[in-house]
Amino acid sequence: GAVVSQHPSRVICKSGTSVKIECRSLDFQATTMFWYRQFPKKSLMLMATSNEGSKATYEQGVEKDKFLINHASLTLSTLTVTSAHPEDSSFYICSALASGRAPDTQYFGPGTRLTVL
Amino acid sequence: DQQVKQNSPSLSVQEGRISILNCDYTNSMFDYFLWYKKYPAEGPTFLISISSIKDKNEDGRFTVFLNKSAKHLSLHIVPSQPGDSAVYFCAAGYTGTASKLTFGTGTRLQVTL
Repeated sequence: GAVVSQHPSRVICKSGTSVKIECRSLDFQATTMFWYRQFPKKSLMLMATSNEGSKATYEQGVEKDKFLINHASLTLSTLTVTSAHPEDSSFYICSALASGRAPDTQYFGPGTRLTVL
Repeated sequence: DQQVKQNSPSLSVQEGRISILNCDYTNSMFDYFLWYKKYPAEGPTFLISISSIKDKNEDGRFTVFLNKSAKHLSLHIVPSQPGDSAVYFCAAGYTGTASKLTFGTGTRLQVTL
């Protein structure tokens, strides 16, 4: 099956610093990747849609200047949380849509636990 | 505004019995629905999907039923196994939106021996 990796799996940082999270599709190309955020006991909330070679599309209420997304290749998208604050602490999950496949082939990464002190 | 709802946060079922997980949605534009299984600290894994032109889809022990008039879908697991213990999310999407999904809040299934 298709594999999506995320790095790092967990990160602890000080308030005010920036954190970069990588999302890679290991055995397929993904023109579209998605970034989600999950609060404890809550649903996965879509933050943005990342398209290779173009600007990301952000969901309403998500600050694009705070959550920078870059999708530089067909196998890599990055999410940078800039000037992180404790309220940004969350579980961030990416997914990759296998190119040319049905919409239900959205493969998820294992997630990144961000803790901002 | 929670467009996809899973009103049961948890469910406990005995091994071998049927597990029924429910999901309701409010947006009539949704035309395909998916179920994902998630273990702690892992990403969701796809289980089964159904498009709005069907009312049932079956894959092994998993069957998804869709009632469009009631805006309701359910996932049946028969027979339930201890390895099925996880959090189950339903998700909904519609064509033309680059496969964006809206997730429910999840139901934690515990299959007991």
